[in-house]
Amino acid sequence: GAGVSQSPSNKVTEKGKDVELRCDPISGHTALYWYRQRLGQGLEFLIYFQGNSAPDKSGLPSDRFSAERTGESVSTLTIQRTQQEDSAVYLCASSLRSGANSYEQYFGPGTRLTVT
Amino acid sequence: DAKTTQPPSMDCAEGRAANLPCNHSTISGNEYVYWYRQIHSQGPQYIIHGLKNNETNEMASLIITEDRKSSTLILPHATLRDTAVYYCIVRTTQGGSEKLVFGKGTKLTVNP
Repeated sequence: GAGVSQSPSNKVTEKGKDVELRCDPISGHTALYWYRQRLGQGLEFLIYFQGNSAPDKSGLPSDRFSAERTGESVSTLTIQRTQQEDSAVYLCASSLRSGANSYEQYFGPGTRLTVT
Repeated sequence: DAKTTQPPSMDCAEGRAANLPCNHSTISGNEYVYWYRQIHSQGPQYIIHGLKNNETNEMASLIITEDRKSSTLILPHATLRDTAVYYCIVRTTQGGSEKLVFGKGTKLTVNP
């Protein structure tokens, strides 16, 4: 079946502009995650959605970052007033979650954001 | 912060077994060991996970020491396509956010 998809694949924006990144999780996956990966670095957790529970926003680096998810479907990550340090690949992942167990996360291909 | 320690890089000859070590000396009883890999310019890919027993699937084997303070990921017959950064992650599956905390991983290069 279809995997996690993200759009756009590449985004170049000017400093100070707002950007919106989209993630379509695997159908039926209740959990959705956003991560950021700067060039040559590991992944940094940003935010986690699980069903109707309050999202875990502990990884968002500043109030310029926000994310929404509609039910158990699409999620958008918004970065306001972009800065050059926001340049990175933004990765989305989804997973099943059942009871006390969780399952592996499936990652999308990422959106490469370049702020000029 | 990542709870694991891995060598920054390793080399392996094509067709040979690749053994990737990971130290997780502070692992607690309800934390699993997960392995992911990231091939250049792609999102991370799940490989395998385990709690205390050794695990094997179509991709790899995971050997966890009896005290659970370290583990080894084994790719039995490495191919050029296995060249990637391999991440060892410990995480709880009970309660709270289930984010993955990635360290720097091991860059595995499989040579022809």
